[in-house]
Amino acid sequence: SYEVTQPPSVSVSPGQTARITCSGDGLPKRYANWYQQKSGQAPVLVIYKDSERPSGIPERFSGSSSGTTVTLTITAVQAEDEADYYCQSADSSGTLVFGGGTKLTV
Amino acid sequence: EEQLLESGGDLVQPGGSLRLSCAASGFMFGEHAMSWVRQAPGKGLEWVSSINHSGGNSYFADSVKGRFTISRDNAKNTVILQMNSLRVDDTAVYFCAKVPAPIVGVTTYFQQWGQGTLVTVSS
Repeated sequence: SYEVTQPPSVSVSPGQTARITCSGDGLPKRYANWYQQKSGQAPVLVIYKDSERPSGIPERFSGSSSGTTVTLTITAVQAEDEADYYCQSADSSGTLVFGGGTKLTV
Repeated sequence: EEQLLESGGDLVQPGGSLRLSCAASGFMFGEHAMSWVRQAPGKGLEWVSSINHSGGNSYFADSVKGRFTISRDNAKNTVILQMNSLRVDDTAVYFCAKVPAPIVGVTTYFQQWGQGTLVTVSS
């Protein structure tokens, strides 16, 4: 079955750059999307189709892709960015998958 | 303003059934595929099911295949998740999510989420 893998945790100091990776053999042929989930809240889309940013999402959030790994980058991290981040992908059969999530500690 | 409002979550015994509803507003519901995603207590997100804009095609995670069905009523802007033969490990918050396209495929993502409804399966 299709799977994507994330590191369980990433820790950065305020003002630094956070990079969260998502790996999967199918990623070169499929898009990855990223969601931010703060404690007790619903997820929010922060990056779609590897690198597109929805309106209303700060420019410090960006996405990139290289081979079997996609990366969510948050530059000049702020305390409010502390959250769980999930990558998500899909295959042509309609199967959707989430990574296990990465807890970002600021 | 786009809104998704889930309802129907409850405490149910193992082997029981439950029907979740998601009422949508603020967008052209009939032009969008819809999905359900769940999150067990303290765990990550898990995709459960999706349905195309017309209701003609539906998709399920292996963990719920054969037990859950999904349907929609475009006249009432509602998507339904019917859950049968519930198990303890189905306990989770169930989120309804909007897909920004009419069909599910490799570009599918979740553009808008509801606040979720809690399903607890326990004896």
